[in-house]
Amino acid sequence: EIVMTQSPATLSVSPGERATLSCRASQSVSSNLAWYQQKRGQAPRLLIYGASTRATGIPARFSGSGSGTEFTLTISSLQSEDFAVYYCQQYNNWPLTFGGGTKVEIK
Amino acid sequence: EVQLLESGGGLVQPGGSLRLSCAASGFTFSSYGISWVRQAPGKGLEWVSAISGSGGNTYHADSVKGRFTISRDNSKNTLYLQMNSLRAEDTATYYCAKGSSNWYFDSWGQGTLVTVSS
Repeated sequence: EIVMTQSPATLSVSPGERATLSCRASQSVSSNLAWYQQKRGQAPRLLIYGASTRATGIPARFSGSGSGTEFTLTISSLQSEDFAVYYCQQYNNWPLTFGGGTKVEIK
Repeated sequence: EVQLLESGGGLVQPGGSLRLSCAASGFTFSSYGISWVRQAPGKGLEWVSAISGSGGNTYHADSVKGRFTISRDNSKNTLYLQMNSLRAEDTATYYCAKGSSNWYFDSWGQGTLVTVSS
């Protein structure tokens, strides 16, 4: 099983600042990596797939990068609606696995 | 608009059974793989089971293998999860999630809560 490790667990950021979230895979997942946003009491929402392709309707301030085992989600200028928990997920191998999540909170 | 509506959750005793359903609309159901993903209270996301568009291929996490069975009825646009021998650690909100061109999930239902407790 591929273990996905996200860091940090919690990120405190002021509105308007840049946020950088990391996701590491225990073995290569090529570019088969997705990012999701989950707000309290809501279902997850797809942000990024293929490591760097934004999903439909996702603002340009969200960007993804990386391949192999190291991935990054960057939010260029945090808006109030971006404070949430973010998960990465690999879909290169079965079983599908998620990272433990990064909570982005208001500083 | 893609819609996924889960049902069937509730309170069940340890060792009991439950069947979840996910009614889909807004897309060609048989063309896409679909998964169940769960989230224990206050915890992260855990993939549970997946099924291909035709239903010919199924996949289960080790934690549920032999106890849970995923299936679909493409004539009814409905996904199922039969859960047997339930344990306290199966307590979670269960989401159905639509696969896209690959096994990432571009649409999610709102979830149904399963509580396993005596």
